Amino acid sequence: GAGVSQSPSNKVTEKGKDVELRCDPISGHTALYWYRQSLGQGLEFLIYFQGNSAPDKSGLPSDRFSAERTGGSVSTLTIQRTQQEDSAVYLCASSPTSGLGNEQFFGPGTRLTVL
Amino acid sequence: DQQVKQNSPSLSVQEGRISILNCDYTNSMFDYFLWYKKYPAEGPTFLISISSIKDKNEDGRFTVFLNKSAKHLSLHIVPSQPGDSAVYFCAASRAGNQFYFGTGTSLTVIP
Repeated sequence: GAGVSQSPSNKVTEKGKDVELRCDPISGHTALYWYRQSLGQGLEFLIYFQGNSAPDKSGLPSDRFSAERTGGSVSTLTIQRTQQEDSAVYLCASSPTSGLGNEQFFGPGTRLTVL
Repeated sequence: DQQVKQNSPSLSVQEGRISILNCDYTNSMFDYFLWYKKYPAEGPTFLISISSIKDKNEDGRFTVFLNKSAKHLSLHIVPSQPGDSAVYFCAASRAGNQFYFGTGTSLTVIP
């Protein structure tokens, strides 16, 4: 498809395990964003990439969270030693570039449940 | 610290009437604002945007108004249709990089 895809769509894990979430942006989009939405909350910015570099990592909630992007395309968000409060929907978005005037196209999200 | 606030978690409107969704922000440096629409189990989809040099932007049935002095923006949907029923998020940004989203307003349009 032509849209942003994310995998897996659902992930159930046990507390303390590591998880990897994947995002495939729209081809040619240089900017990529990760957000999470906890129950009853708005979208919380986590990190964004321009190409392979991440100018702004300020939204990552703790050092258990990391993200990388290779080849200016696919990105993975890794959560180490998951905690129950990490349970949320993790959304990825891409845009042709960063900066004004560029709307973000969102994927369907990965629903993470930490037991 | 919530920099973008949507104080109404839900709104019900009769079909054909106007829906007005409100959003307030605290950071006067924000210069780009967007509205997204989200259906259950889907990612948000872009609806309409406005930059801080304007106070109104219109696209079909959707109009966004920006009041910079009040740090307030609103989305008007006229006429409302049952297919407009969704959660609406407003978002704000400085220079279009990091985006701050509100908590959303769930709109129900009653046929």
